[in-house]
Amino acid sequence: DAGVIQSPRHEVTEMGQEVTLRCKPISGHNSLFWYRQTMMRGLELLIYFNNNVPIDDSGMPEDRFSAKMPNASFSTLKIQPSEPRDSAVYFCASSFGRGENTIYFGEGSWLTVV
Amino acid sequence: KNQVEQSPQSLIILEGKNCTLQCNYTVSPFSNLRWYKQDTGRGPVSLTIMTFSENTKSNGRYTATLDADTKQSSLHITASQLSDSASYICVVSGMDSNYQLIWGAGTKLIIKP
Repeated sequence: DAGVIQSPRHEVTEMGQEVTLRCKPISGHNSLFWYRQTMMRGLELLIYFNNNVPIDDSGMPEDRFSAKMPNASFSTLKIQPSEPRDSAVYFCASSFGRGENTIYFGEGSWLTVV
Repeated sequence: KNQVEQSPQSLIILEGKNCTLQCNYTVSPFSNLRWYKQDTGRGPVSLTIMTFSENTKSNGRYTATLDADTKQSSLHITASQLSDSASYICVVSGMDSNYQLIWGAGTKLIIKP
């Protein structure tokens, strides 16, 4: 099993540019999570999908952030326009069920906004 | 307020020695407790997941214990190896919503040869 696959692994972009992060969950998993990790705030849940439907997006910081899951094998997290304070590691994770089982994380997308 | 606190913040031990990391939580009602290992620059990897009815679970050289009455957990690492150097994060979820994980700040463990 390839695990949760994220791309790009690293991205450096200028303030104001659009950033799109991509995620392929583990096949058969029906829950997908987007997290953000910073030194100051640790891991924060941004949005949770179950069966491709957004269940909880209360962690999305502001309207500049949006996430989609058009099918069971693909999700995107978009930031438009990006700001330097968005610099962080963004993790996608997936699991079977509604979060009660093991949650598997990807290797993360390291975003730097200059 | 639901919180997860870990101690120590950091720990340095010699290769081959054992160590124990602590986790206290105030999440209620409690659903499950997880320990994750996160290597620098990598995503968190699950070590164990325990429900309130389980008081010990092992994964190789890692053994987690849970006391749901005192709301405490520990992670014991036996015969440490250099590859055990990482952050170990205690994570708790409540029955209200299993997907809302409360993350501890982690213990940074360094194994020295």
